[in-house]
Amino acid sequence: AQSVTQLDSQVPVFEEAPVELRCNYSSSVSVYLFWYVQYPNQGLQLLLKYLSGSTLVKGINGFEAEFNKSQTSFHLRKPSVHISDTAEYFCAVRGQGAQKLVFGQGTRLTINP
Amino acid sequence: GAGVSQSPSNKVTEKGKDVELRCDPISGHTALYWYRQSLGQGLEFLIYFQGNSAPDKSGLPSDRFSAERTGGSVSTLTIQRTQQEDSAVYLCASSLFQGGATGELFFGEGSRLTVL
Repeated sequence: AQSVTQLDSQVPVFEEAPVELRCNYSSSVSVYLFWYVQYPNQGLQLLLKYLSGSTLVKGINGFEAEFNKSQTSFHLRKPSVHISDTAEYFCAVRGQGAQKLVFGQGTRLTINP
Repeated sequence: GAGVSQSPSNKVTEKGKDVELRCDPISGHTALYWYRQSLGQGLEFLIYFQGNSAPDKSGLPSDRFSAERTGGSVSTLTIQRTQQEDSAVYLCASSLFQGGATGELFFGEGSRLTVL
């Protein structure tokens, strides 16, 4: 079975500042990793995913994440945030051969002007 | 439409009533998932369909919850004798392949259930 821990439930940052949203996972098998974003009053949409290969993954809207197998982490980063990045961000893991996606508790990113 | 469609978008019901939530996945997607998102909680897995079969029902919280899928397409989540703790947003997602390498789930906008 897999599990995901998002270490911060809320992250407030100022506009144009960098941000890192932390995600750690647990699994006995190899994994695929995902970040989803949920803008206010909208459904979830995929931000980026790690399947294999390069451990640095780039996604939409200038976000990127780095897979660190030794630390079982998949932290999400953006060098300069905008007001429009205000949303809830979910880290998710799927074990290879498993059918379901297991989500973390979510991190609410609030951008202050 | 092109995306996952869920109805109703909002449902207010009285405790003890039954409710049905509907999900229409993206055409051609064989895998369908139901998740529940409660206030301040993450996404809780409920059930997964591959075609019309449900190989994993492990997340259904009680026997008051059931789901079915017909024609490999539309799915209905039924909650019987609703309780206040059932209040949540119920999210449906579909995927092209079962456990496939892409793994991407496409989500609907959810059905918000409020039990009074």
